[in-house]
Amino acid sequence: DVKVTQSSRYLVKRTGEKVFLECVQDMDHENMFWYRQDPGLGLRLIYFSYDVKMKEKGDIPEGYSVSREKKERFSLILESASTNQTSMYLCASSFLNARRGGYTFGSGTRLTVV
Amino acid sequence: DQQVKQNSPSLSVQEGRISILNCDYTNSMFDYFLWYKKYPAEGPTFLISISSIKDKNEDGRFTVFLNKSAKHLSLHIVPSQPGDSAVYFCAASVAGGTSYGKLTFGQGTILTVHP
Repeated sequence: DVKVTQSSRYLVKRTGEKVFLECVQDMDHENMFWYRQDPGLGLRLIYFSYDVKMKEKGDIPEGYSVSREKKERFSLILESASTNQTSMYLCASSFLNARRGGYTFGSGTRLTVV
Repeated sequence: DQQVKQNSPSLSVQEGRISILNCDYTNSMFDYFLWYKKYPAEGPTFLISISSIKDKNEDGRFTVFLNKSAKHLSLHIVPSQPGDSAVYFCAASVAGGTSYGKLTFGQGTILTVHP
């Protein structure tokens, strides 16, 4: 069964902390994505990567960075967590052409910044 | 600028009836459209898609209709079942270039199917 695995389901962090969210996929997908989901705003793209060590900003990259050192792993980094980054974070992966089955999502990480 | 819009935050229907979820887009370069379904505490799962060269695609109880001139698509679920209760997201993509298969999502519509 193909999978996108996010390392944590729930996280509580303090304001100012550096936070790492990890995502691993086993489908040999080229693309990997980080979204956040907020009520009324849907899914908003933070960053994506189409190859190892490559990254592109999405629609809301401010306050975030990413790392992709291996094809199967894509990390989202909150450099200094703030309360407005409290959200559901979703990782996804796809083939280079999303027409081949669209995205496969992980189960999400519910991050609370206090 | 919201390029993909789902203007109905929620929809409530009776079991056995038709559910119609709507989606509008503004970017005329979008040429592939998808619907995803999301249960609480789970990631979205792919439901059905349609290419811009078609105006209808059907998969069991789910049918997606595309009206390119109106930049509008809709998802029909017939008959609706309580297990269909979830958040539904429409998404769109642009072919080729530097899009890298990137999808733009709408805000989502919460569907509740009552027994």
